[in-house]
Amino acid sequence: DTEVTQTPKHLVMGMTNKKSLKCEQHMGHRAMYWYKQKAKKPPELMFVYSYEKLSINESVPSRFSPECPNSSLLNLHLHALQPEDSALYLCASSQVGRRLAGDNEQFFGPGTRLTVL
Amino acid sequence: AQKITQTQPGMFVQEKEAVTLDCTYDTSDPSYGLFWYKQPSSGEMIFLIYQGSYDQQNATEGRYSLNFQKARKSANLVISASQLGDSAMYFCAMREGLYGGATNKLIFGTGTLLAVQP
Repeated sequence: DTEVTQTPKHLVMGMTNKKSLKCEQHMGHRAMYWYKQKAKKPPELMFVYSYEKLSINESVPSRFSPECPNSSLLNLHLHALQPEDSALYLCASSQVGRRLAGDNEQFFGPGTRLTVL
Repeated sequence: AQKITQTQPGMFVQEKEAVTLDCTYDTSDPSYGLFWYKQPSSGEMIFLIYQGSYDQQNATEGRYSLNFQKARKSANLVISASQLGDSAMYFCAMREGLYGGATNKLIFGTGTLLAVQP
């Protein structure tokens, strides 16, 4: 199984709502990532989890709260978002570890298109 | 600081012809990895090809090859025999260090939108 799944595909929420994005992989990867992508721009890294521990937070506002309940799941909890947070949110996973001829490419999910009204 | 530059915002190519998408990079780390991803309009980022900084030969994966010129810090993607399904956004990305993990941080270029014409 070489697939990263994300739910929901589309989400529309108001600025006072609380919602969650979910990501799941069954490739045995121990690193998982959240990216934010605005239209016609490259993905921007938000968070990295390595062995279920948060290892990178790219100064993301606290209205985004990541959670990694186990090695296969990654959540992104959303609260009090702003309209400028509307974007495609991509989840990715990869292997972890030292390899001389490392690739450890990141496998991406299809993304959640978020609209904040 | 590492940097990735893609100077072609958009490219056209005729079906069945080859096309080269440009990518230059800058890093002070001697160990790094270079990646190309394809993003169709559906949104999913699809991994295409990888080149490590110590790899002696250019990477190839099917119709994709990476023209790696280390001294010039370029990592151009060559797509041979273009197909209509190749129409998508293509991103070049770099990771400092040769292995993944807590620092497996990809920096993406701005992308090139490729349109394959019948």
